[in-house]
Amino acid sequence: AQSVTQPDIHITVSEGASLELRCNYSYGATPYLFWYVQSPGQGLQLLLKYFSGDTLVQGIKGFEAEFKRSQSSFNLRKPSVHWSDAAEYFCAVGSFSGGYNKLIFGAGTRLAVHP
Amino acid sequence: EAQVTQNPRYLITVTGKKLTVTCSQNMNHEYMSWYRQDPGLGLRQIYYSMNVEVTDKGDVPEGYKVSRKEKRNFPLILESPSPNQTSLYFCASSPGGESYGYTFGSGTRLTVV
Repeated sequence: AQSVTQPDIHITVSEGASLELRCNYSYGATPYLFWYVQSPGQGLQLLLKYFSGDTLVQGIKGFEAEFKRSQSSFNLRKPSVHWSDAAEYFCAVGSFSGGYNKLIFGAGTRLAVHP
Repeated sequence: EAQVTQNPRYLITVTGKKLTVTCSQNMNHEYMSWYRQDPGLGLRQIYYSMNVEVTDKGDVPEGYKVSRKEKRNFPLILESPSPNQTSLYFCASSPGGESYGYTFGSGTRLTVV
């Protein structure tokens, strides 16, 4: 069965430091992969997505993610974190079956940013 | 502005009192879906719909109903809410097919006492 694992429940970084959020997936075919961000009291906003092609994907707000098939990973990175990046981040895999595309989410990683 | 609108944003209710959370999208999307978010579990799909009058169960459908009488609306109905349905609920829509551009609403925080 398809699944997504985000090993880190909470991460704290200092403002200006680099960030990497881990995501591992289990999926039989070529996956469609996503990262969403949820700011406090807000809905989910799409940061970036991978369908095919270049394995390094650029997103909004200065984020990027790299798809590594051999490691079944899709880690999210940002070179310099801003205080406004404090939020919860969700990795998801798209499962297309029976004519329907379904998103399967990881449990999320809550990011805190220290000044 | 393209958006998914959920109402209400916050709701406190008592066990057994029927309630409906509304969801409406203005993007003419084919697909709509309801998720619930619980700490440590991420988002889990409750029900989804591929078109008008076409709905199906997701991963956690027990205790919920949905309807899709119009393309733009996809209400979530709790006939007899229980405390284990206390959660944060999200509605989402997508153009369908392999276009995975899901747009999420702002969420409804439901508390059942």
